[in-house]
Amino acid sequence: NAGVTQTPKFQVLKTGQSMTLQCAQDMNHEYMSWYRQDPGMGLRLIHYSVGAGITDQGEVPNGYNVSRSTTEDFPLRLLSAAPSQTSVYFCASSYTSPSLHEQFFGPGTRLTVL
Amino acid sequence: KNQVEQSPQSLIILEGKNCTLQCNYTVSPFSNLRWYKQDTGRGPVSLTIMTFSENTKSNGRYTATLDADTKQSSLHITASQLSDSASYICVVSALGGGNKLTFGTGTQLKVEL
Repeated sequence: NAGVTQTPKFQVLKTGQSMTLQCAQDMNHEYMSWYRQDPGMGLRLIHYSVGAGITDQGEVPNGYNVSRSTTEDFPLRLLSAAPSQTSVYFCASSYTSPSLHEQFFGPGTRLTVL
Repeated sequence: KNQVEQSPQSLIILEGKNCTLQCNYTVSPFSNLRWYKQDTGRGPVSLTIMTFSENTKSNGRYTATLDADTKQSSLHITASQLSDSASYICVVSALGGGNKLTFGTGTQLKVEL
């Protein structure tokens, strides 16, 4: 099993550009989440999904969109990149709620917005 | 507001020595507490998870303790190795399911020869 995979590993964008961060898991987990990690701050939840076709906002959703058309994939879209979105982004999955079951994290995408 | 505070912010120890990392939380109502290890450039990996009724849990050279009354947890690393160099993150879950996780900012540990 590959676990949770993310692409790309690194990305540089110019302000105003859009892009999609890819996330996939092969553990048949229902629950998937996107976090951002910034220096001096704990991981913050952007969006999450409790199953295919169902998504919801987390703590810092502005500027990001998600969709969940399959159990395996959970892409994160930046609509119009801003320097404040410079961060490391982690996708995670768990069997059900991460409050109840272990959450597995991907390797992360380091995004720089100029 | 739910909060998780970790100390120290960073720590340098010699290989073979022991160390203890601290986690204080104000998350309520409490469900469980987890310690994660995050290597540089990688995603966090779970080390231990403890519920309200558990005081101690070990995973190899890692031992976590929980005092739910004082809302404190510690992670003790025994006989440290160079590979222990990483950030250690404390995460507390609130009752009610969902994604009610509060992450600490982590303790950056460096093990030197």
